[in-house]
Amino acid sequence: GAGVSQSPRYKVTKRGQDVALRCDPISGHVSLYWYRQALGQGPEFLTYFNYEAQQDKSGLPNDRFSAERPEGSISTLTIQRTEQRDSAMYRCASSLGQGGTDTQYFGPGTRLTVL
Amino acid sequence: GQNIDQPTEMTATEGAIVQINCTYQTSGFNGLFWYQQHAGEAPTFLSYNVLDGLEEKGRFSSFLSRSKGYSYLLLKELQMKDSASYLCATYQGGKLIFGQGTELSVKP
Repeated sequence: GAGVSQSPRYKVTKRGQDVALRCDPISGHVSLYWYRQALGQGPEFLTYFNYEAQQDKSGLPNDRFSAERPEGSISTLTIQRTEQRDSAMYRCASSLGQGGTDTQYFGPGTRLTVL
Repeated sequence: GQNIDQPTEMTATEGAIVQINCTYQTSGFNGLFWYQQHAGEAPTFLSYNVLDGLEEKGRFSSFLSRSKGYSYLLLKELQMKDSASYLCATYQGGKLIFGQGTELSVKP
């Protein structure tokens, strides 16, 4: 079956612009996670949802970052007034259970470049 | 908080055995995961340990000692395709906290 998909795969934007990154989890997966990964580093947790409820947003760097999952399926990570330091790979993952120890399946990521 | 340490790089020879260590300090612990990540690709799940001991899965095994805050991933009969980054992650409160990853290079 289909895995986690993310769009766009690549996004180049100018400093100060807003961007919206989309994640489509595996069908039926309850939990959805957002991570950011710098080159040569492991993924860094940003936020996660069970169904449509945001359970933990402690990893969001500042209030320019927000995420939503209004219908408990597709999620959008929005970065307002982008800065060059926001450039990174943004990865989404989903798991079958409610934030338990179920395996997280990662998507291909969105490579964001802020000029 | 959580702190995870693993070696940055390792090199091994095709056909050999390699052990990748991971140590962690955490205020709460609900399990330890290992993921494999090939260059330019997404991380993929390898193993999960919640109790002390060894979990074997084909050529890959993972060990956990909760009292020591220590885990290792053992790869046997190394193949060239095993060249990748190996990520150790602790699970706490619904989220995974990853280490920096160990870049493994398998040489012929």
